[in-house]
Amino acid sequence: EVQLVESGGGLVQPGGSLRLSCAASGFTFSAYWMHWVRQAPGKGLNWVSRINSGGSEAIYADSVKGRFTISRDNAKNTLYLQMNSLRAEDTAVYYCVRDQGSGLSLNYWGQGTLVIVSS
Amino acid sequence: DIQMTQSPSTLSASVGDRVTITCRASQSISSWLAWYQQKSGKAPKLLIYKASSLESGVPLRFSGSGSGTEFTLTISSLQPDDFAVYYCQQYNSYIRTFGQGTKVEIK
Repeated sequence: EVQLVESGGGLVQPGGSLRLSCAASGFTFSAYWMHWVRQAPGKGLNWVSRINSGGSEAIYADSVKGRFTISRDNAKNTLYLQMNSLRAEDTAVYYCVRDQGSGLSLNYWGQGTLVIVSS
Repeated sequence: DIQMTQSPSTLSASVGDRVTITCRASQSISSWLAWYQQKSGKAPKLLIYKASSLESGVPLRFSGSGSGTEFTLTISSLQPDDFAVYYCQQYNSYIRTFGQGTKVEIK
């Protein structure tokens, strides 16, 4: 069974940093592209970033480019999102999501971890 | 970035109704479109991929159609379990984008 378990969310002050982790199991992690998608409270879904299977290519939404870094450790079956220079508008539930393959739809989602940016 | 626009934003319907949600892309995305269902407090769930392919385990009352810039999600006979928010998403470009969502509520 595919499982994606996010951790690392919490309350952080504006300008601060946080690192999210996503532990993957039940599939060959190194074979799939992975994504982060976020959802602000009461709002819709917003795609944040994705990384290819080997970790050599990362793409970001304009809203987080230069502040967030996606990475993965295929030996540990873990996806990361390093978030720096956090702003109030980054407050959201962050979902770790598996691609169907390489550049396809998003077929497995974690339960999400809540990040609150507030003073 | 490719903009995705869904209509309507809210849809009131009764059990047994046929329901159609439309998603329009700001430029052609071929058939690289997915539909997701999200229930309150839960993670989204993939329903349809490549515009018309049904994800494994999804009931046959869900169907998708379209290509290019205009797409539809149809629920042939609305069931109590289907009241939720539905999102389209394009994956034609490196920057993925979602529609704003359509809430299907009980009439």
